[in-house]
Amino acid sequence: DAGVIQSPRHEVTEMGQEVTLRCKPISGHNSLFWYRQTMMRGLELLIYFNNNVPIDDSGMPEDRFSAKMPNASFSTLKIQPSEPRDSAVYFCASSLGGTGSLFFGPGTRLTVL
Amino acid sequence: DQQVKQNSPSLSVQEGRISILNCDYTNSMFDYFLWYKKYPAEGPTFLISISSIKDKNEDGRFTVFLNKSAKHLSLHIVPSQPGDSAVYFCAARDNYGQNFVFGPGTRLSVLP
Repeated sequence: DAGVIQSPRHEVTEMGQEVTLRCKPISGHNSLFWYRQTMMRGLELLIYFNNNVPIDDSGMPEDRFSAKMPNASFSTLKIQPSEPRDSAVYFCASSLGGTGSLFFGPGTRLTVL
Repeated sequence: DQQVKQNSPSLSVQEGRISILNCDYTNSMFDYFLWYKKYPAEGPTFLISISSIKDKNEDGRFTVFLNKSAKHLSLHIVPSQPGDSAVYFCAARDNYGQNFVFGPGTRLSVLP
């Protein structure tokens, strides 16, 4: 199994631009999570899906952030417009609901200039 | 309000000695606890877990202890090795089985 796949691994963009981060969860996993890691706040949950349905998006910072999961094997996190304070590492993770462990992707390092 | 706390941002230990990483939680609805290890430029990787019905789980050099009454868990690494140097995250799952809450992490440095 290839594990959780994220793209791109690095993204540098200018303030005001739209950014789209992509994730492919582990095949068969039915829960998908988007986390953001910053020095100040550590790993914070942005949103998670169960069976492609968003369950809790209370961690999404503001309306500039949106996430979709059109099918069981793909999710996107979009920031429009991006701001310098969005600079962080964004992790996607998946799990098989009810069995415990969460498996993370390698992350996307986002830099907004 | 942090539901999972790791009050030590960093810890240094001599190679061969024991490393003890601590974690406290506030939500009594958490029923499953996990430790993750993270190296720079990589995603966190699962290390060990414990269910709330147990008080100890051991896997090789790694042991996790859970004290439910104190809402406290700890990760023991013995003997510590330089390759254990990483950031360790404590995480908890609520009893609906869907959401994972992470602590801020503790950076462990094992000195040769």
